Amino acid sequence: EIAMTQSPATLSVSPGERATLSCRASQSVTTNLAWYQQKPGQAPRLLIYGTSTRATGIPARFSGSGSGTEFTLTISSLQSEDFAVYYCHQYNNWPYTFGQGTKLEIK
Amino acid sequence: QVQLQQSGPGLVKPSQTLSLTCAISGDSVSSNSAVWNWLRQSPARGLEWLGRTYFRSQWYKDYAVSVKSRVTIIPDTSKNQLSLQLTSVTPNDTAVYFCARMTSALMVYAVWGQGTTVTVSS
Repeated sequence: EIAMTQSPATLSVSPGERATLSCRASQSVTTNLAWYQQKPGQAPRLLIYGTSTRATGIPARFSGSGSGTEFTLTISSLQSEDFAVYYCHQYNNWPYTFGQGTKLEIK
Repeated sequence: QVQLQQSGPGLVKPSQTLSLTCAISGDSVSSNSAVWNWLRQSPARGLEWLGRTYFRSQWYKDYAVSVKSRVTIIPDTSKNQLSLQLTSVTPNDTAVYFCARMTSALMVYAVWGQGTTVTVSS
């Protein structure tokens, strides 16, 4: 089973600034990596798949990059609605696995 | 668009069976392209996949090793829904449970149910 490690566990950023979240896989997942956003009391929402493709309706300030074992989610200019928990998810090897999450909080 | 509506009890006694339902609209449980999943989320284990079912001329089911001896996912074509049954529950099974849809073309969880908080307690 592939282990997904996200860092940092908590990231404090001011609105309007850039946030960079990291995800590392224990072995290569090629580009089969997705990111989800979860707000309190809600289900996760798909943001990005295939490492860098935004899901329907996701603003352009969200971008993803990476390949193999190292991946990054960047939010270019944080809006108030972006403060949430973010999860990476690999779907290259069965069973598919999630990272433990990065909480993005207001600085 | 596809929507998933979950239902089921929020409190289950230890050793009993947890039963949840996920009603599907905008798609068919027997779709040849959809994959229907159950996951759960707890502070201790994070997001954990429990199992999946899908129809490709016949029904297929896969379960997580951690719950394989206790879990069953049941598709119901007459009601267009899927169910989760988890037997012999303990307080460790306390979590928020989600159903979620994938497609064969894109194996990501693009559609989720709203989640059901289940507490295992006497």
